[in-house]
Amino acid sequence: EAGVAQSPRYKIIEKRQSVAFWCNPISGHATLYWYQQILGQGPKLLIQFQNNGVVDDSQLPKDRFSAERLKGVDSTLKIQPAKLEDSAVYLCASSLGQGRFYEQYFGPGTRLTVT
Amino acid sequence: AQSVAQPEDQVNVAEGNPLTVKCTYSVSGNPYLFWYVQYPNRGLQFLLKYITGDNLVKGSYGFEAEFNKSQTSFHLKKPSALVSDSALYFCAVRDLGGNTPLVFGKGTRLSVIA
Repeated sequence: EAGVAQSPRYKIIEKRQSVAFWCNPISGHATLYWYQQILGQGPKLLIQFQNNGVVDDSQLPKDRFSAERLKGVDSTLKIQPAKLEDSAVYLCASSLGQGRFYEQYFGPGTRLTVT
Repeated sequence: AQSVAQPEDQVNVAEGNPLTVKCTYSVSGNPYLFWYVQYPNRGLQFLLKYITGDNLVKGSYGFEAEFNKSQTSFHLKKPSALVSDSALYFCAVRDLGGNTPLVFGKGTRLSVIA
């Protein structure tokens, strides 16, 4: 079974530039999550999708971050414009469902450096 | 609000010795607890989880964790550490009673020395 795929693996941009990350979840997984992991901290949920609908985006900085999952499969996370404090690893995860008993499977992450 | 505390940034242990990585939690209802491991340049990998039942949970790679409700702890343990266990370990919790997100601790770096 293929795991969660993410690209790119690394990205370096200057502040005020835009960047987009892509995630392909495990086949058949209805729920998709984006997390932000700042160095020295645990992952923090940014947004959760159930199929193509948003379940929770309460911690997404909506003035600069956006995410979509138009066809209920792949997802993109965008930052526009980027700030220095956005430097982090962005992790995508998926699960079969959104119920609390479903395990989340994580991708390798995208390491973003904003200079 | 849910929270997780991992009081140690770093744990060092000699190969072959037992290891413990500490975790305490806070939730309003009953906890649903996880341990994940992260190797360099890799995503988080699931180790084990506790929902209900036996307080000692066995997981992948010989790891186990002990749930202690009175101390609100969920410490990760392994009887004999391997050099390959060296990684970053995260404890996470969510409230069983609601549709709340998974909340992670800040992580503990385990270093097993040969």
